Order: sequence, then structure tokens, then C-alpha cells
Amino acid sequence: GQSLEQPSEVTAVEGAIVQINCTYQTSGFYGLSWYQQHDGGAPTFLSYNGLDGLEETGRFSSFLSRSDSYGYLLLQELQMKDSASYFCAVRGEGFNKFYFGSGTKLNVKP
Amino acid sequence: ETGVTQSPTHLIKTRGQQVTLRCSSQSGHNTVSWYQQALGQGPQFIFQYYREEENGRGNFPPRFSGLQFPNYSSELNVNALELDDSALYLCASSLGGGGTGELFFGEGSRLTVL
Repeated sequence: GQSLEQPSEVTAVEGAIVQINCTYQTSGFYGLSWYQQHDGGAPTFLSYNGLDGLEETGRFSSFLSRSDSYGYLLLQELQMKDSASYFCAVRGEGFNKFYFGSGTKLNVKP
Repeated sequence: ETGVTQSPTHLIKTRGQQVTLRCSSQSGHNTVSWYQQALGQGPQFIFQYYREEENGRGNFPPRFSGLQFPNYSSELNVNALELDDSALYLCASSLGGGGTGELFFGEGSRLTVL
């Protein structure tokens, strides 16, 4: 089975940096993705880590440590539009089968 | 490039009825996955289709079934609807065989079961 843990809610101010952690227990692991979902919208892809280390995409970075079954998403220079839910998702065996966490609701305040 | 489209966007059914949801995958994508997202929760993997064959299934009962067509579009069918089936149903397309691990989601079909 698959089990993912992430904080339910995080609040930060505009311009700040926030880190959203994700720990997982899975029967098979092939990578960790992060998705953003605004209320009423579709999840949109942010980042993917297939190997240990840091991946950087603009203001967003993602980190993976397979030995610790742990990853995080780092959001820098927070903007109001970053207020959304963020999901980590483990890639399981097979083609792009992903198992999602319950999500972290990020509230960005002025 | 055409994105993932789903229909209908909203629908209301009563307990015991059957429903069919439809998905057109992104151009060039041969893999379609279906997810159920309850309010305030993350998407839960239902099943995946690759080149018209089911290629993996999550923890959902057999009354959840699907199809993928030669043009890679897909259907999700749910029989004997229960109140707990009320959720947003998301379709995601991708290119099978690995890659960046990116799923392209549609806007979803919101099902309400009364």
C-alpha cells in the first residue's frame, strides 16, 4: 500500500519562503511529484524528482531523499497567487501511476 | 496542442443509478488515468489505461470500470451509485513509458449522488 504524510495547512506572508514536507511509505517507489491545485481547478504539475537531490524550476524547488523516504517543495518569493493546495504524489510501478497525499493548503497573506 | 477535456462538468444522480464520464486525452498521449477526489482530499487512483488495456488499478470495487478507445479517449463507468461516490472525478493523460512523470489533468466531472 501507499501512505503519504504532509501538513494540512501552512500560512506565510507575501515575499517569504515556505517549505512543504512530504514523507511516504510505499511498496514501490519510482519518483515523487508535486502538484498545485487552486480551488475549483485541476491539479497542475510543478516538479518531479526521480533521483535524490534538488530540482529547481523558477521560484519552486523540490528535494528528494529516497533513503529517508522524504521530500519537500520549496516556494520562494511567495505571491498571493500561490495560495492553493499542494500535493505530493509518489510514482508507483508502471507507467505514471501516482498516489497522492491529502494535500497542504497554503495561505499567503499580504 | 489540445489539452485534456472531460464531460460532463457537473451531474447529479440518485443512489443505485449508473453514470458514464468521458475524457479526451491530450494529443499524442497514449495513457489515461482516472482519479477520484473527495472534498478536501487528494486525488485517489482508480485505474489506468495504456493502449486500450487496463494497466493497474487502485483500491476501488469492480463497479468502477473503464474503457480506452483507439484514439486514446476514455470512459469511466460507475454502477450502483452510492452516496460516497459523490466526488470530483479527474482524468489525467500522459505519455506511457516513463518520461518526466508529469500528468496532465482535465478540469474534472463533479458527481453528486443523492
